[in-house]
Amino acid sequence: SNSVKQTGQITVSEGASVTMNCTYTSTGYPTLFWYVEYPSKPLQLLQRETMENSKNFGGGNIKDKNSPIVKYSVQVSDSAVYYCLLCGGSNYKLTFGKGTLLTVNP
Amino acid sequence: EAGVTQFPSHSVIEKGQTVTLRCDPISGHDNLYWYRRVMGKEIKFLLHFVKESKQDESGMPNNRFLAERTGGTYSTLKVQPAELEDSGVYFCASSQSAGGIAEQFFGPGTRLTVL
Repeated sequence: SNSVKQTGQITVSEGASVTMNCTYTSTGYPTLFWYVEYPSKPLQLLQRETMENSKNFGGGNIKDKNSPIVKYSVQVSDSAVYYCLLCGGSNYKLTFGKGTLLTVNP
Repeated sequence: EAGVTQFPSHSVIEKGQTVTLRCDPISGHDNLYWYRRVMGKEIKFLLHFVKESKQDESGMPNNRFLAERTGGTYSTLKVQPAELEDSGVYFCASSQSAGGIAEQFFGPGTRLTVL
């Protein structure tokens, strides 16, 4: 079955680079989305990884694959919750991770 | 272009009452999804419409929840009767195409509080 794991919280200072991990297990050529949720705003798409645009995408069944998102020189305004959304399986099951709360301190 | 809209933004009801949430997708989007985030938990998929048909309703928690999408435009999600554990944020999303790789556009959510 499909599963998604994310780091719960990350706190960094302005100007730092940060990597947020998303480790997933899936069947059937999954697609992995990253969304960001700013306070009082709808979720917005950041990036999408499919078979076509990932050199590391093995296709077929995937086990414990990490698909991180990297943000360079973060600002206070980047503070938000970052979610992974996995679409996998023969019937395109949709599974969210619990989200990573990124806090950027000035 | 208008985004996905949801109404109401907040709803506070008592246990046993009925609540109906509404979602208006982006015009022309055939695919409409409902999700919910219960306090402290991850966002969970509830169901997926393609036009007016339910493509996948495997995430609906029980028969107190009824989703409809008459005419393939807006959708409603009714909870009857509401229970305390139904409290949370209900999100709606829409996409032009299905098949798993299309970007979903999310609405701002409806925060439901059941007292």
